Formats: sequence, C-alpha cells, structure tokens
Amino acid sequence: SSELTQDPAVSVALGQTVRITCQGDSLRSYYASWYQQKPGQAPVLVIYGKNNRPSGIPDRFSGSSSGNTASLTITGAQAEDEADYYCNSRDSSGNHRCLVFGGGTKLTVL
Amino acid sequence: QLQLQESGPGLVKPSETLSLTCTVSGGSISSSSYYWGWIRQPPGKGLEWIGSIYYSGSTYYNPSLKSRVTISVDTSKNQFSLKLSSVTAADTAVYYCARLFMLSFSPAFDIWGQGTMVTVSS
Repeated sequence: SSELTQDPAVSVALGQTVRITCQGDSLRSYYASWYQQKPGQAPVLVIYGKNNRPSGIPDRFSGSSSGNTASLTITGAQAEDEADYYCNSRDSSGNHRCLVFGGGTKLTVL
Repeated sequence: QLQLQESGPGLVKPSETLSLTCTVSGGSISSSSYYWGWIRQPPGKGLEWIGSIYYSGSTYYNPSLKSRVTISVDTSKNQFSLKLSSVTAADTAVYYCARLFMLSFSPAFDIWGQGTMVTVSS
C-alpha cells in the first residue's frame, strides 16, 4: 500500500519557524490533512485541504504542497506546540478509497 | 456540538473478536456530508487507519486488515461499530472513532472520540 513518509523528529527554538514534511506519491493528486497529538490525548485536526484551519487553530499553523511533498509550517512556535504531528491522505496504490497516515513527527520546542 | 464516544471491552482474548461501538451525539450520523472512521494506535506507535463507512453502509477497509475487519452502521441508534476477528497481541492499541469529510477529494478527520484502550491478552 501507499506510504506517507515523515521525519521521526524535528526541533525548533521557541519563537522560530519550523516546517514538518510528509512525502508520498498520493500527494501529487490529493492534499494532506495534519493532526497534532499530545501525550494521552486524541489527535486534533490542525490543517486540511489546500491550507485550511479548523476553528480554534491558531494562524501560526499553515499548510502547503509541492509535487509529492506536503508541509506543515508553524511560524513562531510556542511551547504548547510540542507534540506529535501526523499527516493523512488517500492511498495511491490503486484503491483511492483507502486512506493512510504518515509515521508521525515528534516536534520538540527548545 | 457533535461528540463521539467509543465503548466496548478493554480486554480481549487472543483469537477472539474485538467489538467496539462509537456513539455519535449532538448530530446525525446520516448526514450526507460525512463518513465515519476507525483509527488505532498501538502503544508508543503511530496512527493506523482501519476503515471508514458512509451512512448508507458503503465501507472501505485498510487492505492489511480487510480480511478481519467489519464496520457497520446503525442509523436508528446513531452508532457505528467495529469488529476485528482473530485478534493477536499486535492488535493491542488505543482505538479511536472519528468523523471524516472530503475536501477536493482529500480526507480530513475533524472530530475524534477520546479513544479506548483495548488489550489482547489471555
């Protein structure tokens, strides 16, 4: 099945900008959605579609896409942004009705 | 405000069938705008999509689990359910139910249940 590949870990200094990426063939055709997960909590949708934020998500979170890579950018990272981040999109191996998650990126805010 | 709540046994014996139900409150499961899905997360690991269902009963499953998974919907109870057969220790995970929508044919799970831990052990 199709895979979405994420870097296992990324760090950012407090107040700086960080980009978390997600690579996969399906991203040439579909957008990725992005989820933030803090320890012991359910994931929370932070970005979907081309670059849409659900209500309540700070505007420091943004999304973009180019070729087979989707990116989640946090501009001015805050301590509360330290979490695991997952991308999600459609499978591209043949059954477009199947979905897949990336392996996740652990973000550390220094 | 729409909420989802998982329920079911927290302990299942190997080779038996795991059964979970997700109850939707604050909104209708029969909305034509949404699908409903199950996602799981083994301890210390990432998220895995199990499958999704539309209120009409159309289902879509993860190919790696398809032979063991059944997802069904009961619109009269505003619930959808997961059955996973022949479980092993590898099926030990937190199981989430979530609401799924498509934008430009791209998926997004916008509302999640709190998750329920299921342990497979004798």
